[in-house]
Amino acid sequence: GAGVSQSPSNKVTEKGKDVELRCDPISGHTALYWYRQSLGQGLEFLIYFQGNSAPDKSGLPSDRFSAERTGGSVSTLTIQRTQQEDSAVYLCASSLGGSLQGETQYFGPGTRLLVL
Amino acid sequence: GESVGLHLPTLSVQEGDNSIINCAYSNSASDYFIWYKQESGKGPQFIIDIRSNMDKRQGQRVTVLLNKTVKHLSLQIAATQPGDSAVYFCAEQGAAGNKLTFGGGTRVLVKP
Repeated sequence: GAGVSQSPSNKVTEKGKDVELRCDPISGHTALYWYRQSLGQGLEFLIYFQGNSAPDKSGLPSDRFSAERTGGSVSTLTIQRTQQEDSAVYLCASSLGGSLQGETQYFGPGTRLLVL
Repeated sequence: GESVGLHLPTLSVQEGDNSIINCAYSNSASDYFIWYKQESGKGPQFIIDIRSNMDKRQGQRVTVLLNKTVKHLSLQIAATQPGDSAVYFCAEQGAAGNKLTFGGGTRVLVKP
């Protein structure tokens, strides 16, 4: 069955440019998460969407980062005025959602972003 | 994608031996724990999970142990195979909110 997909798989951009990263969650999953994996920083939470609820943006590192989820499915993570420290692998995950307890999050392959 | 990288703890194990990977967590309110495996260039892959009301759970060739008293989690891999070479992450999830907090990762290298 189809898992979480992300595009592009690799993105090279120049400092100061805006980038958009896309995530397609597993069909039927209502919860969607973005994480960042940096060299030396490990995996860190960025933002979480659950159904029609307001997203949990507590992990976004600055106001240059934003994300939206249209129609409860596809999500786009946007980084404005990219900086070299934004270089990382951006991972998307989804889960069934709606559970008050923890549930398994399934990850996509990630988008490797390099800011020159 | 790479994980932590240069300073990642590494466990070197002979093929066929058992592996034990350890993880300490910090939030005593966490009630759900997951082990992920990440191969080079790929996203984390779910291995096994455990809830805080359990202290042991077994899967296929893997066992997770949870010690809430000392906030310690371990993953045991039986009869380690070359395909087990990867970086392994533990992750915890608190009762409030669904974000995962990840440990720093351990690289497992299986020697033939």
